[in-house]
Amino acid sequence: DTGVSQDPRHKITKRGQNVTFRCDPISEHNRLYWYRQTLGQGPEFLTYFQNEAQLEKSRLLSDRFSAERPKGSFSTLEIQRTEQGDSAMYLCASSEGPSGRATDTQYFGPGTRLTVL
Amino acid sequence: AQSVTQLDSQVPVFEEAPVELRCNYSSSVSVYLFWYVQYPNQGLQLLLKYLSGSTLVKSINGFEAEFNKSQTSFHLRKPSVHISDTAEYFCAVKNTNAGKSTFGDGTTLTVKP
Repeated sequence: DTGVSQDPRHKITKRGQNVTFRCDPISEHNRLYWYRQTLGQGPEFLTYFQNEAQLEKSRLLSDRFSAERPKGSFSTLEIQRTEQGDSAMYLCASSEGPSGRATDTQYFGPGTRLTVL
Repeated sequence: AQSVTQLDSQVPVFEEAPVELRCNYSSSVSVYLFWYVQYPNQGLQLLLKYLSGSTLVKSINGFEAEFNKSQTSFHLRKPSVHISDTAEYFCAVKNTNAGKSTFGDGTTLTVKP
């Protein structure tokens, strides 16, 4: 059982740079989610995919953010022209989807901690 | 729209004492309910969940939570805590027909010797 993996675990960048994060879900899961977590708060939903289709995007996901899941397996989250307010933990989760026996329970990866200087 | 309120941001307790972490939610539709635990420098781990059926659900490490529909609550309890239970606990709610989950802001449980 490999679980959900994320890469990198930590990223430090300068304001204005672009960054890209990768998430590999549990292999049989067809739903993949991105959340953002800042200090002292719970995870906030950003977007999710059913296979390769992006089904929902939060208003938190500005034009500088883009997520893809081109073959319905791994996903990438890119942030362009990073700002200091983007500093947070970016979490990925996956689930079987509504037809799965686990009734769409989400399992989380370890997260990517982004620091924008 | 859904929301989750965790009523206590910090709960200090002595080892072997009972503990209750409170969670209230609001939703206009049917929901699933979850508790996740986050140990220092680790990711979120599912602790227990309510999907349907019995309103009392239990985890393998002694935690339990009861779904109370009339009070829209899903409080987490443990009769006797250990030092190793020190962690951040998050309550989450998910629309049965939607993908995303909505999380509370977390409760930091600190178990003291």
